[in-house]
Amino acid sequence: ETGVTQSPTHLIKTRGQQVTLRCSSQSGHNTVSWYQQALGQGPQFIFQYYREEENGRGNFPPRFSGLQFPNYSSELNVNALELDDSALYLCASSLASWGEQFFGPGTRLTVL
Amino acid sequence: AQTVTQSQPEMSVQEAETVTLSCTYDTSESDYYLFWYKQPPSRQMILVIRQEAYKQQNATENRFSVNFQKAAKSFSLKISDSQLGDAAMYFCALTSGTYKYIFGTGTRLKVLA
Repeated sequence: ETGVTQSPTHLIKTRGQQVTLRCSSQSGHNTVSWYQQALGQGPQFIFQYYREEENGRGNFPPRFSGLQFPNYSSELNVNALELDDSALYLCASSLASWGEQFFGPGTRLTVL
Repeated sequence: AQTVTQSQPEMSVQEAETVTLSCTYDTSESDYYLFWYKQPPSRQMILVIRQEAYKQQNATENRFSVNFQKAAKSFSLKISDSQLGDAAMYFCALTSGTYKYIFGTGTRLKVLA
């Protein structure tokens, strides 16, 4: 059974640029949630995708958007990057929208 | 609004000793789940233990156990026989039948040899 994977591991961008982060869910999982974890903080919920539809969203602006594909992998897109977007971005997959979540290793995004 | 509060930014424990990490939460839902996650320096978040709110019995997983006090909205994690590999950030989390997990700010656990 393959666990949750994320790519890339690290990314450096400049303010105003756009970025795409990728997540492959654990085998058999149809739900993917994305979190932003600032340094020294707990993860903050961005949004969740269930069977290719957005299933819920946290307090993040529209420039944070996502996709889920038929194989249940997912992308997080962030437009017009700001310095405060620098964080660890975590993806988690689950069997259902509120099932036990299995986390990937994260992507460390640095915005200069 | 749902909240999770971890009031201990950092804790230390001697190897082989016992330590308890505190968590309080607030929710108006009657049905919810509580979790403790461990995040080692390698970053990958790992589930340590979960508790269903409707279950009165405290969850136990090997050296890890919880003290779930529903009326007080308290959910502490006890680690017995602490090992060097237990050193990590520990996050308490709450979900209540929606899509959203609410995490606390974490407690950094140091294990002293």
